[in-house]
Amino acid sequence: AQKVTQAQTEISVVEKEDVTLDCVYETRDTTYYLFWYKQPPSGELVFLIRRNSFDEQNEISGRYSWNFQKSTSSFNFTITASQVVDSAVYFCALTRNTGGFKTIFGAGTRLFVKA
Amino acid sequence: GAGVSQSPRYKVAKRGQDVALRCDPISGHVSLFWYQQALGQGPEFLTYFQNEAQLDKSGLPSDRFFAERPEGSVSTLKIQRTQQEDSAVYLCASSPGLAVSYEQYFGPGTRLTVT
Repeated sequence: AQKVTQAQTEISVVEKEDVTLDCVYETRDTTYYLFWYKQPPSGELVFLIRRNSFDEQNEISGRYSWNFQKSTSSFNFTITASQVVDSAVYFCALTRNTGGFKTIFGAGTRLFVKA
Repeated sequence: GAGVSQSPRYKVAKRGQDVALRCDPISGHVSLFWYQQALGQGPEFLTYFQNEAQLDKSGLPSDRFFAERPEGSVSTLKIQRTQQEDSAVYLCASSPGLAVSYEQYFGPGTRLTVT
């Protein structure tokens, strides 16, 4: 079975703090894809990053960075020097290459960044 | 360019009524997804179209739910004899590629309230 777990329901930080959002996934497939999406208060989910199962390189994009570790089935997301505009719900998602076209989303982590 | 649009943005239906929700994907996107998002939860996959072909409808919760994309562009999600448990935000997403490895672009959603 495929599953995505985001154990942190809500996180509250003060502006300029670093924050890490955890994502743990389960799949028996060897080829799969992991994603992070941001859902700001306006409601539309926005794509942030995609990783395939064969690429464990960490990635940095500005203040955002992602740590993919197959050994622990985790794909964590860190925001450095958080800003108020980072306040949103963040979703981790999983798709696989076989057996259908379903995307499995985690329950999301709501991040509050206070000024 | 224009993103994914959905209409109506809000819909109130009395229990037992039929509703039709519309999605206009990004022009040229071959893949289209429908999701149901309950309050405080991640999106739950409903169905997937590749052009006009519905290749995966494993997430449709009952035979009251029906989706179509007859010309490979606009899609309609129809819910017959609505029930209170159908109250949710219905999200549409499109993707430029044929496989689940591509990122998805989401619309603003239709909030359905069944009274």
